[in-house]
Amino acid sequence: QKEVEQNSGPLSVPEGAIASLNCTYSDRGSQSFFWYRQYSGKSPELIMFIYSNGDKEDGRFTAQLNKASQYVSLLIRDSQPSDSATYLCAVKTSYDKVIFGPGTSLSVIP
Amino acid sequence: GAVVSQHPSWVICKSGTSVKIECRSLDFQATTMFWYRQFPKQSLMLMATSNEGSKATYEQGVEKDKFLINHASLTLSTLTVTSAHPEDSSFYICSALRDYYGYTFGSGTRLTVV
Repeated sequence: QKEVEQNSGPLSVPEGAIASLNCTYSDRGSQSFFWYRQYSGKSPELIMFIYSNGDKEDGRFTAQLNKASQYVSLLIRDSQPSDSATYLCAVKTSYDKVIFGPGTSLSVIP
Repeated sequence: GAVVSQHPSWVICKSGTSVKIECRSLDFQATTMFWYRQFPKQSLMLMATSNEGSKATYEQGVEKDKFLINHASLTLSTLTVTSAHPEDSSFYICSALRDYYGYTFGSGTRLTVV
């Protein structure tokens, strides 16, 4: 089992819709969870981080964490074409390493 | 926000030569830096964890004699790819943890070995 898994893409949504990105992790002791956006050929940029169970909202982005289910998600409301990118889920494990998932490619269709 | 400066942003070198990549934390002190490698259309793979003043910790399968990491100060970590070969061509990215900002990445270095 891979340490961090994400729903396979590519994911296509129409402009204005909600994009839902999912991530599961294997290390139950993990405490910190991150969502990064990466445009082709560029370095990842941090969108959200979440430590506690529940929802965390920042503008159009909402991160949801369920530690019991070892699941973290990212919702993007009112998706824009500029949101088209690869989204990486990252988990800081109990042994203090940040492990990335394989990424989900999102395409927002105008 | 927290800034990590990485350079060069791209480099082309001949097979058998060495290349040094630098990462500097500009507005904070980074006790720990992480080095990742990313092949096309793949995710970031952690190569090693660099700790200031001590030896780096390498992930399984990463040759420590080939990828030399030095973290001589709280603001500078370097990765040297020694005796580079075409299969080392990749996107190398450093990262450091800054409170509240989370893990901040450098801009990346695209290495092409010819």
